[in-house]
Amino acid sequence: AQSVTQPDIHITVSEGASLELRCNYSYGATPYLFWYVQSPGQGLQLLLKYFSGDTLVQGIKGFEAEFKRSQSSFNLRKPSVHWSDAAEYFCAVGSNNNDMRFGAGTRLTVKP
Amino acid sequence: DAGVIQSPRHEVTEMGQEVTLRCKPISGHDYLFWYRQTMMRGLELLIYFNNNVPIDDSGMPEDRFSAKMPNASFSTLKIQPSEPRDSAVYFCASSLWLIHNEQFFGPGTRLTVL
Repeated sequence: AQSVTQPDIHITVSEGASLELRCNYSYGATPYLFWYVQSPGQGLQLLLKYFSGDTLVQGIKGFEAEFKRSQSSFNLRKPSVHWSDAAEYFCAVGSNNNDMRFGAGTRLTVKP
Repeated sequence: DAGVIQSPRHEVTEMGQEVTLRCKPISGHDYLFWYRQTMMRGLELLIYFNNNVPIDDSGMPEDRFSAKMPNASFSTLKIQPSEPRDSAVYFCASSLWLIHNEQFFGPGTRLTVL
């Protein structure tokens, strides 16, 4: 079965600084990859997804992610973080077996 | 569309009581998922339905948990009897297709079992 690792439990960045959240997956075939964001007290919202094609995908709220097969990674990036980006971020991987696994999440704190 | 609707938003109950969580998926979506989120175990898929039929319930922790989907617009997750270790946030999500499409999440039900 596939699995997802988000190495960073908590990250703090200053407002305006760049951001990169790490995600590593384990799956034998081409994965379906997702990034979701969860604001406090809310459900998860999809930021972006990758199935095939261009390995650099653009999402909502200015986020992007790059699929690197050689590194089994799908890191999320944003060039300039806003205070409203403070939230929990989840990477997820789906498979042909109709199963989606979520990472443990990375909590982002934004300093003024 | 109002999105995925869950009720109640918060539930506090005593150990041994029956708990029923409710979910209304987005109209037209044919997949429905129940997840549980805890600090210790993260986000876990409990069960999912396709066209009201349970497809995979391997994530249901034990027989105390049951889920039904009597029609396309309503699903329940029931815990009977409830235990303190069931305390978590339970999310319902729906989608048009299983993997290739986005899962839309509800706001969750925060369950506390005393």
